[in-house]
Amino acid sequence: SYELTQPLSVSVALGQSAKIACGGYNIGDKTVHWHQQRPGQAPVLVIYNDNNRPSGIPDRFSGSNSPNSATLTISRAQAGDEADYYCQVWDGNTVVFGGGTKLTVL
Amino acid sequence: QVQLVESGGGVVQPGQSLRLSCAGSGFTFSTYEMHWVRQPPGKGLEWVGVISYDGRSENYGDSVKGRFTISRDNSKSRLFLQMNRLSFEDTAVYYCAKDFYSRSWITDWGQGTLVSVSS
Repeated sequence: SYELTQPLSVSVALGQSAKIACGGYNIGDKTVHWHQQRPGQAPVLVIYNDNNRPSGIPDRFSGSNSPNSATLTISRAQAGDEADYYCQVWDGNTVVFGGGTKLTVL
Repeated sequence: QVQLVESGGGVVQPGQSLRLSCAGSGFTFSTYEMHWVRQPPGKGLEWVGVISYDGRSENYGDSVKGRFTISRDNSKSRLFLQMNRLSFEDTAVYYCAKDFYSRSWITDWGQGTLVSVSS
């Protein structure tokens, strides 16, 4: 079965940029979506189709995808961005989530 | 706005069954594929399965295949998850989620309902 690999944790200084990677076999051939989950809350979609933001998501959030890895970038990080982030793809008839990355804003 | 409200969670013993429900509102429920996703305590998201807009087809994750069944009642804007032969590993918060349309991305999530399997 298809697997998505994410770092367990990423730290970023307040106001700086954070990058969260999502690796998978030929992931560049898939479309990648990203969900944010703040502590104690349900997930929220922050990026869809590799690099598109839903309405209401700040333009500080951006995404990219390449043959070996997709990346979520959070610019000018704020305390409120501290959360778990999950990448998501379809593989055939099933949905696959990455293991999640905990973003800490220092 | 889209609202998804899960219900039916609780404490059950191993081997028992439980049925979850999800009420959708704020959108034309019958138009969209719907998912169930679960999250064990302190762990990541795990996809449970998806049902087509008309309820005619479903797909499931390997860990629940053959034990869980997703169904829907479009006349009542409701999604269901029938869980049989529950085991300790099924303990999780279960989220109902709406797809953008079909085989796209999850656009909206419910607040979740906790299922605890305990002896």
